[in-house]
Amino acid sequence: AQSVTQLDSHVSVSEGTPVLLRCNYSSSYSPSLFWYVQHPNKGLQLLLKYTSAATLVKGINGFEAEFKKSETSFHLTKPSAHMSDAAEYFCVVSDREGFKTIFGAGTRLFVKA
Amino acid sequence: EAGVAQSPRYKIIEKRQSVAFWCNPISGHATLYWYQQILGQGPKLLIQFQNNGVVDDSQLPKDRFSAERLKGVDSTLKIQPAKLEDSAVYLCASSLVGPAGGSSETQYFGPGTRLLVL
Repeated sequence: AQSVTQLDSHVSVSEGTPVLLRCNYSSSYSPSLFWYVQHPNKGLQLLLKYTSAATLVKGINGFEAEFKKSETSFHLTKPSAHMSDAAEYFCVVSDREGFKTIFGAGTRLFVKA
Repeated sequence: EAGVAQSPRYKIIEKRQSVAFWCNPISGHATLYWYQQILGQGPKLLIQFQNNGVVDDSQLPKDRFSAERLKGVDSTLKIQPAKLEDSAVYLCASSLVGPAGGSSETQYFGPGTRLLVL
């Protein structure tokens, strides 16, 4: 069975400081992993995805994530937060066959000026 | 490229009434998904179509929810009768290839339909 756990429901950072959003997953198969962002009153948008190629994945807007199989983690990071990064972030796991897409509960990122 | 279209954007109904949502995926996308997102939670997959066939509907409450994707393009999701706990945002997404093509395809999401059941 698959599952995904986002370890923080809220994260608050100051503008210009690093961002770390944590995600752990469980999967019986080699999974595909994604991070999506949801800005208020906007649709979900893909930030990045891992599909068994390079374990360090670079996404849009300076975000990246590292797949660590031994730790079953896929944490999202950004070196320097911007005010426009304030949003809800979802970690997503999907099995190789494309079934059973599961979203985490989400982490709301607050960015202070 | 046009995105995923959904209508209506907002709907308010009384409990026990019925409601239908419509989704038009990105042209050429084989797979279509319906999600339910309750306030404060992540989206939950209700049903997944590949072309006009159902791939997964294990989390669809089939006693009250139904969905179809005629001709493998547009899709409708219906709730009959609605309950208070159905208040949520209903998201439609589509992706380029179906499950046989692997799960790595990006899902593109529509703006959602916000449903309030009173």
